[in-house]
Amino acid sequence: EPEVTQTPSHQVTQMGQEVILRCVPISNHLYFYWYRQILGQKVEFLVSFYNNEISEKSEIFDDQFSVERPDGSNFTLKIRSTKLEDSAMYFCASSANWDGELFFGEGSRLTVL
Amino acid sequence: QKEVEQNSGPLSVPEGAIASLNCTYSDRGSQSFFWYRQYSGKSPELIMFIYSNGDKEDGRFTAQLNKASQYVSLLIRDSQPSDSATYLCAVNGNTGKLIFGQGTTLQVKP
Repeated sequence: EPEVTQTPSHQVTQMGQEVILRCVPISNHLYFYWYRQILGQKVEFLVSFYNNEISEKSEIFDDQFSVERPDGSNFTLKIRSTKLEDSAMYFCASSANWDGELFFGEGSRLTVL
Repeated sequence: QKEVEQNSGPLSVPEGAIASLNCTYSDRGSQSFFWYRQYSGKSPELIMFIYSNGDKEDGRFTAQLNKASQYVSLLIRDSQPSDSATYLCAVNGNTGKLIFGQGTTLQVKP
């Protein structure tokens, strides 16, 4: 069964360092998303991406965040200068349709020290 | 601010009982509604989606939608201990993104 894959599963970094989280969406999907979930809190939308550009971004997705689809398969989230409050689980998701179900990867746990 | 509200629980039911999970949403223009299950430390896993008013059944699960009341529910029949998890209600507010509720923790006791 097709699935969304994410790497790394866990990353520990020092405050101020840059982090890149990688995702391989399901191959025939066209819509890509990043969500995050701080421990004990709700799943929060960060950004959606379609046709090689950002469709929508949340207030959380400020200038320290960027997304890229560098080739036909990978979808990356870059956090330029990490803060303590960026510690969370980051989920990549993809969808075949704009109003369809999202399929989530297993997540990348980011710990900022 | 578009919101999706759920009772955080925990909701505790005995094995074999029906578990009823509820969700309300604020955006009247929402078109599609989803229930995800999330085990601790894991990613959300899609259980069901519903687009039209009424009931939709899939095995032991029934989703119910009432757009006039802005209300979505999930019924789990014959609850099993393996159903113990957090259930997330998610709403597509016509922009393609899903907005998630806080989730309801379900505990099924043997």
